[in-house]
Amino acid sequence: EVQLVESGGGLVKPGGSLRLSCAASGFNFSSHSMSWVRQVPGKGLEWVSTMSSSGSYIYHADSLKGRFTISRDNTKNSLYLQMNSLRADDTAVYYCAREGDYGDYVRDWGQGTLVTVSS
Amino acid sequence: EIVLTQSPGTLSLSPGERVTLSCRASQDVPDNYLAWYQQKPGQSPRLLIYAASWRATGIPDRFSGSGSGTDFTLTISRLEPEDSAVFYCQQYGGSPPWTFGRGTKVEMK
Repeated sequence: EVQLVESGGGLVKPGGSLRLSCAASGFNFSSHSMSWVRQVPGKGLEWVSTMSSSGSYIYHADSLKGRFTISRDNTKNSLYLQMNSLRADDTAVYYCAREGDYGDYVRDWGQGTLVTVSS
Repeated sequence: EIVLTQSPGTLSLSPGERVTLSCRASQDVPDNYLAWYQQKPGQSPRLLIYAASWRATGIPDRFSGSGSGTDFTLTISRLEPEDSAVFYCQQYGGSPPWTFGRGTKVEMK
């Protein structure tokens, strides 16, 4: 069974930093592109970032303006999202996502971790 | 950036009815790389359809996807009570950013 378990969310002040982690199991992690997708509570989904299986390509949403960095450790079956200079509009549930075998759709989703940016 | 517009915003239907959800793109979706997801309250989204018409593993055959270019449709042939949810489309063709529609809420009468 595929499992994606996020951690690291919580309350942070504007301008602060947070590092999210995603522990993956139940599949060959090093063979899949992985992504982060976020959702403001009660609102829609927003793609944040994608990293290829080997890390050879990385994409981030332009709206993040270089504040977020995706990374992975295939030896630990883990995905990360380093978030800096956090703003109130970054408040959202952040989902770890496994991409599909035939394209960059999301095949599997984690349960999400809530990040709240507030003073 | 490809903008996806979903319609209608909300549907209120009875069990057994046929449901048609629309997702229109601001420009052609490369390779018709369009996916549909279902999200029930308090849950993570679930993949239903990818590449416009391919059903994901374990998805009941009452869910089907169609369309190409800029116009795509998700059809639920016979609505079941457990289908109440918000449905999102996503395009993942060409280069990022991958974008989502704002969702269609399907609720039971």
